[in-house]
Amino acid sequence: NAGVTQTPKFRILKIGQSMTLQCTQDMNHNYMYWYRQDPGMGLKLIYYSVGAGITDKGEVPNGYNVSRSTTEDFPLRLELAAPSQTSVYFCASSSASGTYETQYFGPGTRLLVL
Amino acid sequence: GESVGLHLPTLSVQEGDNSIINCAYSNSASDYFIWYKQESGKGPQFIIDIRSNMDKRQGQRVTVLLNKTVKHLSLQIAATQPGDSAVYFCAENGYGAGGGAVGLTFGKGTHLIIQP
Repeated sequence: NAGVTQTPKFRILKIGQSMTLQCTQDMNHNYMYWYRQDPGMGLKLIYYSVGAGITDKGEVPNGYNVSRSTTEDFPLRLELAAPSQTSVYFCASSSASGTYETQYFGPGTRLLVL
Repeated sequence: GESVGLHLPTLSVQEGDNSIINCAYSNSASDYFIWYKQESGKGPQFIIDIRSNMDKRQGQRVTVLLNKTVKHLSLQIAATQPGDSAVYFCAENGYGAGGGAVGLTFGKGTHLIIQP
């Protein structure tokens, strides 16, 4: 059981470039999340999804877009990369069993924008 | 400011001693709290959780205490081992407009350092 997987592990982007961070979970979880973690800080929620076809903004959504066409996949899109988006990005998932839901995290994608 | 935070950025303990990591939260409506462990270069790993209808919950070598009166959460690790070295985050469950859980609010983390 792989859990939550993320690709790539590391990427360097130039300002203005675009990229998609991939996230896949094999636990049949309805809820999926994207967080970013800046150095020395906790994680902040970017976007979340409560099921295929349903997404919504979190605390820091500017500069990002998401889609959820399947239960398993929840890609995060950066259209015009900016240095402020240099961070580590974590994807997470949880079951839709109620409000007390443990979230399981992927290993992260480290992004550097120069 | 952050609704969930930790009192100390770094905690250094001797191997074999007990560790206590503290966390304060500001949202009195929060009803679910989680402790995560994050090792260098890895994603957060679930340790233990507690609901607001409980004051204490125990796991293997870990205990979480919740004091709703002062909005304080703590993680106790018994007989600390070198493998416990990591950053520990407390988090609370957030809620969306529909009432469902929509993510976690994290504190900044406490770096636990184990000295031999």
